[in-house]
Amino acid sequence: KAGVTQTPRYLIKTRGQQVTLSCSPISGHRSVSWYQQTPGQGLQFLFEYFSETQRNKGNFPGRFSGRQFSNSRSEMNVSTLELGDSALYLCASMPTSLQETQYFGPGTRLLVL
Amino acid sequence: DAKTTQPTSMDCAEGRAANLPCNHSTISGNEYVYWYRQIHSQGPQYIIHGLKNNETNEMASLIITEDRKSSTLILPHATLRDTAVYYCIVRVANTGTASKLTFGTGTRLQVTL
Repeated sequence: KAGVTQTPRYLIKTRGQQVTLSCSPISGHRSVSWYQQTPGQGLQFLFEYFSETQRNKGNFPGRFSGRQFSNSRSEMNVSTLELGDSALYLCASMPTSLQETQYFGPGTRLLVL
Repeated sequence: DAKTTQPTSMDCAEGRAANLPCNHSTISGNEYVYWYRQIHSQGPQYIIHGLKNNETNEMASLIITEDRKSSTLILPHATLRDTAVYYCIVRVANTGTASKLTFGTGTRLQVTL
């Protein structure tokens, strides 16, 4: 099976812009979670989608949003980018929402200038 | 979820066993021990997990002490490609919050020739 794929892998944006990141889960996986990883804060949970519905949400401002499509692919959007949004954004998938093992994609590295 | 404590860094010679310890003295009876690793600039990779019995898979072995207050991840024959940050996590199973993984600082394992 192909693994979790994320596009783009690298992205440079400027403050105030918005960005959309894409994640394709492993075939058959219906749960997709998004994480932000920075050197200072480590890995932080953003949100989880299961069957097109947001199931869990972390403590991030409303500028961070996401959605999931009927084919389980997911997108996350960050509006009004800030310098502090520079990070590695990781997507992880699981077969269902109650599974314990998450499979991560390679991440999208976002740099905000 | 219980807090874990890991050494900041460890070195291991290639071909030797790498033994990575993790303390989780406040672990509850229904919490599992999970290990992930993250190779530089890649997404975290699931390695192994267990409740109270020792576990082995093609990647590693997990040894959990009888009182479950600590565990050791064993890479039997470390290679240069095992150089990564290894994260030990404890969490309750089947609560619907499986996606909210929280990684600590982990152990940076350096495998050398």
